[in-house]
Amino acid sequence: AQKVTQAQTEISVVEKEDVTLDCVYETRDTTYYLFWYKQPPSGELVFLIRRNSFDEQNEISGRYSWNFQKSTSSFNFTITASQVVDSAVYFCALYNTNAGKSTFGDGTTLTVKP
Amino acid sequence: ETGVTQSPTHLIKTRGQQVTLRCSSQSGHNTVSWYQQALGQGPQFIFQYYREEENGRGNFPPRFSGLQFPNYSSELNVNALELDDSALYLCASSSGTGGSRKETQYFGPGTRLLVL
Repeated sequence: AQKVTQAQTEISVVEKEDVTLDCVYETRDTTYYLFWYKQPPSGELVFLIRRNSFDEQNEISGRYSWNFQKSTSSFNFTITASQVVDSAVYFCALYNTNAGKSTFGDGTTLTVKP
Repeated sequence: ETGVTQSPTHLIKTRGQQVTLRCSSQSGHNTVSWYQQALGQGPQFIFQYYREEENGRGNFPPRFSGLQFPNYSSELNVNALELDDSALYLCASSSGTGGSRKETQYFGPGTRLLVL
């Protein structure tokens, strides 16, 4: 069975603060993919990043960075110098290539205050 | 924008009725997945279709069924609606399956279904 845990239900920060969203996953598969999505109030899930299980290199994209630690089954997401527009629900997801399905965490609601 | 569209955007039904939700995939994508997202929760996988055949299913009863058409558009049908079926229904398209599967799924804006 697969499971994704996002322990932080809600986070509130002030603009320009850095914030890290945690994601811990469980899977028996040796090959899998991890994703982060952003869901604004409109409801559409916006793809942010994909990482496969064999690539543990951290990635930085602008103000976003991701830390994949296979040893601890974690895939954390950091926003540097947060902005009000970053306010949304963020989901971490684990993709099973055999079953063709994604297992999502319950999301972290990020509120960035001006 | 992801190029994935869904219709309708909102829908209100009563318990026991049937509903059909539609999804148009991103151009070139032959795989579509459907998810149910209840309020305050993450999306839950319903099923996936690849080249018009069901290719995986989550823990949803048979009254949730789907179709994928030759143009790769898709439908989600739910019979005998229950109050707990009230949710945001998301479809996601991707290309390939199996060893050549492109794992990035692009989501549509969803259909908000309310069952009274």
